[in-house]
Amino acid sequence: DAGVIQSPRHEVTEMGQEVTLRCKPISGHDYLFWYRQTMMRGLELLIYFNNNVPIDDSGMPEDRFSAKMPNASFSTLKIQPSEPRDSAVYFCASGGSPGPDGVTQYFGPGTRLTVL
Amino acid sequence: GENVEQHPSTLSVQEGDSAVIKCTYSDSASNYFPWYKQELGKRPQLIIDIRSNVGEKKDQRIAVTLNKTAKHFSLHITETQPEDSAVYFCATHLTSGTYKYIFGTGTRLKVLA
Repeated sequence: DAGVIQSPRHEVTEMGQEVTLRCKPISGHDYLFWYRQTMMRGLELLIYFNNNVPIDDSGMPEDRFSAKMPNASFSTLKIQPSEPRDSAVYFCASGGSPGPDGVTQYFGPGTRLTVL
Repeated sequence: GENVEQHPSTLSVQEGDSAVIKCTYSDSASNYFPWYKQELGKRPQLIIDIRSNVGEKKDQRIAVTLNKTAKHFSLHITETQPEDSAVYFCATHLTSGTYKYIFGTGTRLKVLA
């Protein structure tokens, strides 16, 4: 099993540019989560999907952020336009069908985004 | 809303000693409690978890205890080794129709050789 795959691993861009982050969940998992990690705010859940449908996007910071999951094996997180304060590590995580007590989440390697 | 407090924020121990990290949560309906280890520049990795119908779980040098009455759970690492140095995050799982985790703020553990 390849685990959760994210691309790119590093992204450096200039303020105002569009940024697209990509994620491939573990095959067979039907939950997908996008997180942002910074020193100041720790790990923040941005949005999560179940069976490709967005379930909770209350963590998306503002309209500049959008996420899609067109099929079970691919999701994108887009920032347009990007700002320096968006600089962070963005993690994608996936989980299988929940057992009696919830779903275990497995993280991808992350994308380190730097907005100049 | 749900809140998870994690202590201490930093912890230094001598190699071979034990380390304990504690988390307190507020939502009594939480019933799944994972612990993640994150090495510098790497992804958070699940190291152990516990479910609400269990009071303690052990995996080699790592153990987790849960006190549902007091709403706190702890990670115990025995015979610490330099490779245990990392940031450790606790989390609780909200069960009220959602599958969110609420993460603690992390504990930076340093094992001194």
